[in-house]
Amino acid sequence: GAVVSQHPSRVICKSGTSVKIECRSLDFQATTMFWYRQFPKQSLMLMATSNEGSKATYEQGVEKDKFLINHASLTLSTLTVTSAHPEDSSFYICSARSPTSGRAGGTDTQYFGPGTRLTVL
Amino acid sequence: AQKVTQAQTEISVVEKEDVTLDCVYETRDTTYYLFWYKQPPSGELVFLIRRNSFDEQNEISGRYSWNFQKSTSSFNFTITASQVVDSAVYFCALRPHRGSTLGRLYFGRGTQLTVWP
Repeated sequence: GAVVSQHPSRVICKSGTSVKIECRSLDFQATTMFWYRQFPKQSLMLMATSNEGSKATYEQGVEKDKFLINHASLTLSTLTVTSAHPEDSSFYICSARSPTSGRAGGTDTQYFGPGTRLTVL
Repeated sequence: AQKVTQAQTEISVVEKEDVTLDCVYETRDTTYYLFWYKQPPSGELVFLIRRNSFDEQNEISGRYSWNFQKSTSSFNFTITASQVVDSAVYFCALRPHRGSTLGRLYFGRGTQLTVWP
């Protein structure tokens, strides 16, 4: 099946610093990528939808100036947490939408990255 | 509005028992897709199944089976002869065919399944 990678898998940073998380689709072109956030023992909450070559669409309540998303190519989207604070500590997961038919899971399936655990001290 | 409800927060079973994870959804779309994902302690989401709203045929894959009933808006997941490796959080998700964010998934809160040896 399709593979989506995330880097880094784990990051610890000091309060006030910025952290960049990369999401790559390794064997398909993803016109759309999604960024989710998951707090411990909770569900995944969509933060934003990233479309290649255009501005990201943010969900209500998500600060676009704090969570910068760049979808520079069909295989790469980045999420930058600016001026991170302890409350931003969470598990961030990206997913990439594959529009190609015939892949495992059927047409237009989302494939998830392994996640990035961010800890802000 | 789109909503997925997984009423079971935690389930514990002993190995070899059968277990059913419930999922109830709400949508006004006539075309939609339902998913189940497994999230082991490592955190990575593992795709299990995708079902579209026009296909109510139940599916079996090894020890896994799914029961989709549009009449009750349910898409339940059964693991037969559970094993310790089945321990994980399981998420049910809904994707409407049309919507402001094409392709986004609406997740339930997840069910933590623990299988004891």
